[in-house]
Amino acid sequence: RKEVEQDPGPFNVPEGATVAFNCTYSNSASQSFFWYRQDCRKEPKLLMSVYSSGNEDGRFTAQLNRASQYISLLIRDSKLSDSATYLCVVAKAAGNKLTFGGGTRVLVKP
Amino acid sequence: DAGVTQSPTHLIKTRGQQVTLRCSPKSGHDTVSWYQQALGQGPQFIFQYYEEEERQRGNFPDRFSGHQFPNYSSELNVNALWLGDSALYLCASTLLAGGPYEQYFGPGTRLTVT
Repeated sequence: RKEVEQDPGPFNVPEGATVAFNCTYSNSASQSFFWYRQDCRKEPKLLMSVYSSGNEDGRFTAQLNRASQYISLLIRDSKLSDSATYLCVVAKAAGNKLTFGGGTRVLVKP
Repeated sequence: DAGVTQSPTHLIKTRGQQVTLRCSPKSGHDTVSWYQQALGQGPQFIFQYYEEEERQRGNFPDRFSGHQFPNYSSELNVNALWLGDSALYLCASTLLAGGPYEQYFGPGTRLTVT
């Protein structure tokens, strides 16, 4: 079983719609959680850290459920530029090695 | 504010050869991690360097080795290259001494082994 599992998609999303997806992680000792965005053949870029109380950054909302060991990401009012692969990432401690899921591909269409 | 830089951007090597990849961390960062990303997969952790020592290591063979220099830059060396070593090699940096601990990635080196 992979440490971090994600639905690979693709999620085909009409422009302006809301899309949500999540990932599950197996190591209950994980303490740090992130969503990274990766465009085709580019490096991963930090989208947002995920906090226990949930957090929002503009159109993006992340939630963490420690009891069920899953992390979610919701994108509101999707833009064409949101098309990318979204990587769910966990770490046992801040600054430690990052463990990545395989990514969820999102395609926003006009 | 200079971000993470890596060189070279692309590299083609033959099976059995050796390769060295280089990384300069983001300005103000003291820690460098290396990741391997095969096509269609998420990045896999190779190792992390802090204070010129290997601090953590992932599940990679000894053919993969590294080094960190006093200026915090780092090298990744791979010996006896296999076809399966073809991948995007990513370097990430962070500030461990006091944080924040978020890791930022360089553009990567795309290695092709023929």
